[in-house]
Amino acid sequence: GAVVSQHPSRVICKSGTSVKIECRSLDFQATTMFWYRQFPKKSLMLMATSNEGSKATYEQGVEKDKFLINHASLTLSTLTVTSAHPEDSSFYICSARDLSGKGGRQRYEQYFGPGTRLTVT
Amino acid sequence: AQKVTQAQTEISVVEKEDVTLDCVYETRDTTYYLFWYKQPPSGELVFLIRRNSFDEQNEISGRYSWNFQKSTSSFNFTITASQVVDSAVYFCALSEAEDNFNKFYFGSGTKLNVKP
Repeated sequence: GAVVSQHPSRVICKSGTSVKIECRSLDFQATTMFWYRQFPKKSLMLMATSNEGSKATYEQGVEKDKFLINHASLTLSTLTVTSAHPEDSSFYICSARDLSGKGGRQRYEQYFGPGTRLTVT
Repeated sequence: AQKVTQAQTEISVVEKEDVTLDCVYETRDTTYYLFWYKQPPSGELVFLIRRNSFDEQNEISGRYSWNFQKSTSSFNFTITASQVVDSAVYFCALSEAEDNFNKFYFGSGTKLNVKP
């Protein structure tokens, strides 16, 4: 199988502060990681795609200066929400792909983390 | 245009009833994958099935079955003899060869309530 973890699982921060969310692939090297956002009772929307060692590719409408993504290693990607506002409150989910096809992992699969619930007060 | 449509926003059934969740997709690609995920109240996405565009065989896994029909661009999911633990939001998703299967297009989800 493939395990992806996220930390923290839940975070509350004050408006104007920054918060960092980590996404780790625990048993494989993730060449590509993805960040999704899910509003209450809504679907998942892709925010950005990050490849290890290069700049993230953001979807249309996502502010790259507000949502900083760093994919510094093959097992870790971070999403930093800068100058958070209450409207940034959401459920953030990361996923990872293993293009090696090793360990029974499917190259076309995205393995999802458990999500991080961000509340900005 | 929506690439994945789940027209049923919410469905309520009584335990032991069968229920079918509909998924209709749209793509010009000939090579693509379709997925179903379950999202319980905890929020974590649970992978249920992946199907590639060249495999139209229906699949059964325990109480779950999937009906993939390219002619109608549908990938419907049936739960037989539903149980309270099946209560969750279910998402259908599509990824395409066109962008190297990087983008997952999720439907809006169907919330299933199974009452005892």
